Amino acid sequence: GAVVSQHPSWVICKSGTSVKIECRSLDFQATTMFWYRQFPKQSLMLMATSNEGSKATYEQGVEKDKFLINHASLTLSTLTVTSAHPEDSSFYICSANHRDHSYEQYFGPGTRLTVT
Amino acid sequence: GQQVMQIPQYQHVQEGEDFTTYCNSSTTLSNIQWYKQRPGGHPVFLIQLVKSGEVKKQKRLTFQFGEAKKNSSLHITATQTTDVGTYFCADQFYFGTGTSLTVIP
Repeated sequence: GAVVSQHPSWVICKSGTSVKIECRSLDFQATTMFWYRQFPKQSLMLMATSNEGSKATYEQGVEKDKFLINHASLTLSTLTVTSAHPEDSSFYICSANHRDHSYEQYFGPGTRLTVT
Repeated sequence: GQQVMQIPQYQHVQEGEDFTTYCNSSTTLSNIQWYKQRPGGHPVFLIQLVKSGEVKKQKRLTFQFGEAKKNSSLHITATQTTDVGTYFCADQFYFGTGTSLTVIP
């Protein structure tokens, strides 16, 4: 149980375009989902907390107009990187917080974004 | 957000040797989580510690939470090549800096 999927697993886009990444909890309902960014050989940096039916909470330094998050249902959250630039190239990982397990997070497989 | 520091950043061990990673916070933690991320993979939850001085074991892995709830450690006994990866502690949803473990066969 507690499987999280992410789509796409990798994407290459041109500078200036937007990219949408989907995160789904497959076998449980996730009231809260999280979006992280990870650079090579570095830790995971929390970008934002996504709550179903309400606005996302962004971490300090993360541009909310650039990284649009929508959590339309208890099983789906999306991250849209708008007007992508090469510096946005990174590994984006989502996680879901199972309702009954406090801080235990279940991670998706991640999305490798390359902006050319 | 807050960041929890981990040491060492990298560790190379011979297969069969023990390994320990330490997690330190400047503030008192209500609880702490440990994750493992294999190369090319995503973090996988290992355990959560809540109580001061708590010790939990999972086969060859031993997790400890300090008495002051400001530090934690993960100890692996007799490492195997399957232990390769980066081990992160996390303060709720904020990840530590991680320790990358390489096991030499």
